[in-house]
Amino acid sequence: NAGVMQNPRHLVRRRGQEARLRCSPMKGHSHVYWYRQLPEEGLKFMVYLQKENIIDESGMPKERFSAEFPKEGPSILRIQQVVRGDSAAYFCASSPSGLGFNEQFFGPGTRLTVL
Amino acid sequence: GENVEQHPSTLSVQEGDSAVIKCTYSDSASNYFPWYKQELGKRPQLIIDIRSNVGEKKDQRIAVTLNKTAKHFSLHITETQPEDSAVYFCAASGGGGADGLTFGKGTHLIIQP
Repeated sequence: NAGVMQNPRHLVRRRGQEARLRCSPMKGHSHVYWYRQLPEEGLKFMVYLQKENIIDESGMPKERFSAEFPKEGPSILRIQQVVRGDSAAYFCASSPSGLGFNEQFFGPGTRLTVL
Repeated sequence: GENVEQHPSTLSVQEGDSAVIKCTYSDSASNYFPWYKQELGKRPQLIIDIRSNVGEKKDQRIAVTLNKTAKHFSLHITETQPEDSAVYFCAASGGGGADGLTFGKGTHLIIQP
């Protein structure tokens, strides 16, 4: 049973370009969470999605960031017109149920560097 | 929203001694409290969690205690080993729904040989 998969593992973009990060949850998991980790800091919740639905996006910046989890395929976190401050590790996690109490399993992360 | 404070930020202990990391949370509706271990450049890995209906949980050398009245919970590692060196994060979530986790800022645990 493969764990949470993320790609790419490393992504380099120039200021103004778009970054697209992908997350495939564990088999049987239908809930995906995205977190951002700045260097030497903890993880910050960004967004929680179920298939085809955004459940909670309270941690998402209001502009340039968007997320989706289509019926088929991975969840995608999209950052438009990247700036240097977007440089961070982006982790996704998945859980089998959204009814609270269920542990979240993390992927290996995508390390975004904005030049 | 929820706010989680974690202390200390760095903890150095002699191999074989015990380590204790403490966290407080602000939202009394939170009911799930996991602890994650993160090695440099790696993903966070769940090491133990506790739910609000119990006060203590133990798994070999690791234990977690929860005081809902005071809104704090602690991680205890006994008989520390070099491989315990890592950054440890506490987190909280709940409120009856499927919330994202609110993390503390982490504790860098250093095990001195």
